[in-house]
Amino acid sequence: GESVGLHLPTLSVQEGDNSIINCAYSNSASDYFIWYKQESGKGPQFIIDIRSNMDKRQGQRVTVLLNKTVKHLSLQIAATQPGDSAVYFCADALSGNTPLVFGKGTRLSVIA
Amino acid sequence: NAGVTQTPKFQVLKTGQSMTLQCAQDMNHEYMSWYRQDPGMGLRLIHYSVGAGITDQGEVPNGYNVSRSTTEDFPLRLLSAAPSQTSVYFCASSGRDRGWYGYTFGSGTRLTVV
Repeated sequence: GESVGLHLPTLSVQEGDNSIINCAYSNSASDYFIWYKQESGKGPQFIIDIRSNMDKRQGQRVTVLLNKTVKHLSLQIAATQPGDSAVYFCADALSGNTPLVFGKGTRLSVIA
Repeated sequence: NAGVTQTPKFQVLKTGQSMTLQCAQDMNHEYMSWYRQDPGMGLRLIHYSVGAGITDQGEVPNGYNVSRSTTEDFPLRLLSAAPSQTSVYFCASSGRDRGWYGYTFGSGTRLTVV
């Protein structure tokens, strides 16, 4: 079966620094990759996505990088703010309307 | 406000009891799904539906039933609750308006089985 996981369970960064959250995936056939943010007591919230035909995609203060050679995904957050403190999940799916498979999550703590 | 509504927010059950977790969305989304979230386990898919009248099993379907009689509603039924079903349950929906993988999640139901 397929699996999606994260290298680091916790990450602490200074306010204003850049954050990098990593994720490994196992299914080379995965076509769609997505990052979610989950704040305490809330449901996950969509951050950014990327298709397998792309290497990089940028949003507002966030960038997702995809390295298909080593099956690695990363989320970069620029100028990390206290409001970025949350658990971040990567997820992937095969092409077509198949369900997302989520990783176990990384907790990001921002130190003021 | 448009979104995914889950009820109840909290529930305590005794072993062997049955109950239904409700999920409703008002975005006319075709796709709906149920996940459970346990500490250190991330989100695991229980059941999902790609449209009214169509359901399918996910990674951990045992002990749960679903039905999709309308586009808006996707209830999750626990047939005979067990302590192993203590978890936080999230319902999610998506549709063409946000892309199939731009899931909108509900705020969750925290279930404790004693």
